[in-house]
Amino acid sequence: DADVTQTPRNRITKTGKRIMLECSQTKGHDRMYWYRQDPGLGLQLIYYSFDVKDINKGEISDGYSVSRQAQAKFSLSLESAIPNQTALYFCATSQAGNTGELFFGEGSRLTVL
Amino acid sequence: AQKVTQAQTEISVVEKEDVTLDCVYETRDTTYYLFWYKQPPSGELVFLIRRNSFDEQNEISGRYSWNFQKSTSSFNFTITASQVVDSAVYFCALSEAWGATNKLIFGTGTLLAVQP
Repeated sequence: DADVTQTPRNRITKTGKRIMLECSQTKGHDRMYWYRQDPGLGLQLIYYSFDVKDINKGEISDGYSVSRQAQAKFSLSLESAIPNQTALYFCATSQAGNTGELFFGEGSRLTVL
Repeated sequence: AQKVTQAQTEISVVEKEDVTLDCVYETRDTTYYLFWYKQPPSGELVFLIRRNSFDEQNEISGRYSWNFQKSTSSFNFTITASQVVDSAVYFCALSEAWGATNKLIFGTGTLLAVQP
């Protein structure tokens, strides 16, 4: 089983719907992240969390919210999905420290019609 | 501000050719980490290498090699004798070392297509 698991892997939804992407990890890491990938733009940071009580906005947090339900779980919500949120979403984890290495989930492909 | 530039959007080579993927970075930090990740067509992100700013030694791992030059703020990646399985998007990324965030700043990626 993957150390960082994302569900669902693929989702098609309609404009205005609320969507939740879930991430769980078995690596025991404190830090978790949500990134969004768009063609030609690389990966952009949406939100990150250092522990259950710490949530921080990234570069592109507008239109998104997150919840850190436990050390191992970090979910991303789109309260009212819009077509330009169609993208590939990645959850990642890291150990506290200075190396910066991230461990990524397999990605969740979201299509908003 | 930190920035990573991968000027090559797409590269196409024929199998067995050598290919170099360029990465140029900007940072005001004196201590930082650089990374390369591979994203094959299946979509997952595969970690390839991490290099810290104090270690300018080039590294070789099989057919892969990395050339880190602080003088030119570059961290280039060479694949020797490319194979079809090397076809993927390759991302270069930068992380500040002494900040508390471990956030990675990614380049926009280079799509490498290796033709048989």
